[in-house]
Amino acid sequence: AQSVTQLGSHVSVSEGALVLLRCNYSSSVPPYLFWYVQYPNQGLQLLLKYTSAATLVKGINGFEAEFKKSETSFHLTKPSAHMSDAAEYFCAVSSSSNTGKLIFGQGTTLQVKP
Amino acid sequence: SQTIHQWPATLVQPVGSPLSLECTVEGTSNPNLYWYRQAAGRGLQLLFYSVGIGQISSEVPQNLSASRPQDRQFILSSKKLLLSDSGFYLCAWRQTGHNSPLHFGNGTRLTVT
Repeated sequence: AQSVTQLGSHVSVSEGALVLLRCNYSSSVPPYLFWYVQYPNQGLQLLLKYTSAATLVKGINGFEAEFKKSETSFHLTKPSAHMSDAAEYFCAVSSSSNTGKLIFGQGTTLQVKP
Repeated sequence: SQTIHQWPATLVQPVGSPLSLECTVEGTSNPNLYWYRQAAGRGLQLLFYSVGIGQISSEVPQNLSASRPQDRQFILSSKKLLLSDSGFYLCAWRQTGHNSPLHFGNGTRLTVT
């Protein structure tokens, strides 16, 4: 069965600093992985997805993630944080069953300090 | 392009009252449909999903139910709301295929008083 673990429920960075949000997955089959962002009182928005075409995936708003099979990780990064990046971020893996479910991590709240 | 509509955006209901939240998807056919709930400070909890008209799978036992009367319509209901039903409800759709992302609606903030 697939699972996702996001290390750190809260991450705080200064504006302009590197953003690193950690995600580790467990999957018995090659995984399809996703990162989502959620702003307060809004739905989740897709940031990027890994579908085995390339290990380094670029997404919207300057974010990118690198798939590392040896580390079973899919960490999200951004070189320079903006105040507008403050939000909650979710990592997810696609279930290998025919249900079409995504399995989400518990989320990481990113705080950006001026 | 595909769009998802979810309404209402906010709802305040007394304990014991009924509930009906509606979600519709446009621009695609035969999508997988999902209802999630977020309680305050907690992650996403999958409540129901549907892979076709009239096909509903429940993930957690509760006093909520879901229905899919049409291909692109997904309804979340309750006959009698509990205080614990308060939360942020999200509808989502996805095409079949493991590499397809979920697309979320804007959510409904439900407060049961």
